[in-house]
Amino acid sequence: EADIYQTPRYLVIGTGKKITLECSQTMGHDKMYWYQQDPGMELHLIHYSYGVNSTEKGDLSSESTVSRIRTEHFPLTLESARPSHTSQYLCASSRTGYEQYFGPGTRLTVT
Amino acid sequence: QKEVEQDPGPLSVPEGAIVSLNCTYSNSAFQYFMWYRQYSRKGPELLMYTYSSGNKEDGRFTAQVDKSSKYISLFIRDSQPSDSATYLCAMWSNYQLIWGAGTKLIIKP
Repeated sequence: EADIYQTPRYLVIGTGKKITLECSQTMGHDKMYWYQQDPGMELHLIHYSYGVNSTEKGDLSSESTVSRIRTEHFPLTLESARPSHTSQYLCASSRTGYEQYFGPGTRLTVT
Repeated sequence: QKEVEQDPGPLSVPEGAIVSLNCTYSNSAFQYFMWYRQYSRKGPELLMYTYSSGNKEDGRFTAQVDKSSKYISLFIRDSQPSDSATYLCAMWSNYQLIWGAGTKLIIKP
């Protein structure tokens, strides 16, 4: 079982602010993922990485950006938060790709 | 049409009952079929997965895949109140998992 951490767990922030959601894993997994989840809806992939200096956008259009400078760290940044960004953000890591292990999530509210 | 369909429920059953949770899908290229459990305000937790067709058992949980019908199931035997959660199916194709929206399960003591 992967140990994967996300901070903050909850964030309420005003429109226009820049925010960074942190994600770290201790399992040495090369593959990491960011998902967005709204109540009663599917998880939607917004970014993924196959290793250091590798990042790709997922199918869900997102105004966020990610970086992967270290294997264990995969932060997500929103340059200018908007109310439409209100959602739960989930980070996952994997060795194989299909076996994904999730952090507890960050619940973001933009006012 | 969504690639993966899952009844949102809620499905409410008495403690000790056998539970059947299901997903249908449209993409025949899916190779790995995953089941996750998600408690309220937590991240999804991987329960089990199967590759291609067939059954897989792990304790009280059995996962079943029928590729000819494009239908997967998760059975829970001797259900417990602690099994109350949302169950998500997900399917692997190419570089990503495609998710169902989840079925909310309630086990009544």
